[in-house]
Parts: sequence; C-alpha cells; structure tokens
Amino acid sequence: DQQVKQNSPSLSVQEGRISILNCDYTNSMFDYFLWYKKYPAEGPTFLISISSIKDKNEDGRFTVFLNKSAKHLSLHIVPSQPGDSAVYFCAAPETSGSRLTFGEGTQLTVNP
Amino acid sequence: DTGVSQDPRHKITKRGQNVTFRCDPISEHNRLYWYRQTLGQGPEFLTYFQNEAQLEKSRLLSDRFSAERPKGSFSTLEIQRTEQGDSAMYLCASSFPTLGVFSYNEQFFGPGTRLTVL
Repeated sequence: DQQVKQNSPSLSVQEGRISILNCDYTNSMFDYFLWYKKYPAEGPTFLISISSIKDKNEDGRFTVFLNKSAKHLSLHIVPSQPGDSAVYFCAAPETSGSRLTFGEGTQLTVNP
Repeated sequence: DTGVSQDPRHKITKRGQNVTFRCDPISEHNRLYWYRQTLGQGPEFLTYFQNEAQLEKSRLLSDRFSAERPKGSFSTLEIQRTEQGDSAMYLCASSFPTLGVFSYNEQFFGPGTRLTVL
C-alpha cells in the first residue's frame, strides 16, 4: 500500500522557469509533510516542510502548497536553476511521529 | 564535519556472506533510523532507535537483518547470508525526537552505503 505517491518519475524545465513537483497521499492521519532533495551518491537533504494546519509554506525560491481535501501537495521552485537538478522526494511521518514514508521520487532536470 | 557519517560507502560481497555497516549520527541526536533504497524507489524504513532502545522494526527487516546501537551513539546494521535481493543503498538518519502534533524534527541523512551482492 503506497501511502505517499509521486506519479511523475521525471520533469524537465528551462532555467528561470517554474518547476512544479506533485505528491499525493492516502493517509488522512498524516499531519506533517516534508520535501527532500537527493543528488547522486549523496543522502537525501531536507528542503522544506509543511504542517497540516497550514496550506502554504515558503522559503526563498521554494514554496510548498498543501490541499488537504484533495490529499495533495506540491513543491514550486521559482526560478529554477541548473543546480536544482536532483531527485525530489515527498515524505510524511507515521502517526507515531517516527519513521518517514517516502514517495517514489521525481527526477528534476533544469536545462540551461 | 558534524553530519551523519556511514562506513563503508560501498560494499561488494558474494551471496551468502555476512556484511556489517556502521552509522555515526549527529552527536546531539538521540534518534537513529535505518532505511533501504532501491533503484527508482524512495527510501523504505527498516528500523529506528531512541538512544540504545530499538523501538520499531519494519516487516522488511527479516531475521537475517540485525541492528544495534549499544551505547546510544553509533549503530551497526548486519546482514547475514546476503542474497542478491539485498543489493540496495542503505541509508542512516538521525534526529531529535518530535514532541507534539503538527510538528516534526526533520531527519538528517548520511551519504549511504551501497551494497552489491554478486
């Protein structure tokens, strides 16, 4: 049972444009969501998070939107830069507040 | 460097051999997690510790897998009688515990150990 799902394995955008990465979840008990970025041969790095009591959280070029009724969140990167090229994972902690459940990841490629 | 470290970074072994991986968490963190990642998938939870106590194990953690954190600092993950299906990236992460709902202390990941079983 895949509780966190990222349906787009890959996304390609031009430098300077907006990148939108999507994530859907099925567990209505999730109350917090995180985005991680992963470069090859490195571990995932925390990027941005959002609590379910909010619908938006912004940090510089990165904004995460949460639509609880649709059980959907998205990560917006504006403007996209070539250094943003990486695999992006959305994740949610289990209700125990411990382990993270990850989506499959989306490979973002930002072309110069 | 005060991040999470893992050793070795790469391990190639033959089927049936035992392997052991080490993780050194961020020193102030009392929670330590192990995940496994295969190609095209996100990390999958294996187990976690709070201090030296192993609080949760995934059903993915078969009886060939064992993890320890003897003094609440570094941790080891051992795989006995390795199988080709064990080939994966093994990731370690650490964090402070989360207190309360609608909050979460993010996990900090190490670079991983890539295991190849021939």
